[in-house]
Amino acid sequence: DAGVIQSPRHEVTEMGQEVTLRCKPISGHDYLFWYRQTMMRGLELLIYFNNNVPIDDSGMPEDRFSAKMPNASFSTLKIQPSEPRDSAVYFCASSSILYVGGVGNQPQHFGDGTRLSIL
Amino acid sequence: AQSVTQLDSHVSVSEGTPVLLRCNYSSSYSPSLFWYVQHPNKGLQLLLKYTSAATLVKGINGFEAEFKKSETSFHLTKPSAHMSDAAEYFCVVSAIPGGSSASKIIFGSGTRLSIRP
Repeated sequence: DAGVIQSPRHEVTEMGQEVTLRCKPISGHDYLFWYRQTMMRGLELLIYFNNNVPIDDSGMPEDRFSAKMPNASFSTLKIQPSEPRDSAVYFCASSSILYVGGVGNQPQHFGDGTRLSIL
Repeated sequence: AQSVTQLDSHVSVSEGTPVLLRCNYSSSYSPSLFWYVQHPNKGLQLLLKYTSAATLVKGINGFEAEFKKSETSFHLTKPSAHMSDAAEYFCVVSAIPGGSSASKIIFGSGTRLSIRP
């Protein structure tokens, strides 16, 4: 079975440039999550979607970050303009509704991440 | 409010000896608790989860965790460590606050497990 697919795996770009990270969730999953992982701050939830609708974006660090989910099989996380402090590994995860009770009861399936370096 | 504390940033054990990774949580609501493992350059993989059923939860690769409400703990254990267990481990708490339909998901800071030959 195909898991969560993220692209690119690595991205190196100069500060000020626009960066777009892509994610294809597991087919049939209704929830999609974006995370950022750094040594200093650990793993942070940025935003998550349910049925393509953003539910909680309180983790998005600032207006330079935006996320979209135009359909059930694709999501993007965009940074514009990028800054060196945005350098991190960005993970996408998806999960499905298995139980009544909400997203908190379901395991998430993670992609392998995008390692982003802003010079 | 919710929080999760992994009490050790790094644990080192010898191969074949028991593993204990400690996690304490705080939640005003009935939480779901998870342990994930992350190998280098990989995403996180679910080890096990607690969702108000049995308090002793068995996971993959011989790991298990016990939910202790009185101690607000969810420690991860394994009787005998294997070299392949060397990785980063994350404890996660998730709950739906009253009056809300959105879960709050909090990850611990992680514990790096090293295995000595």
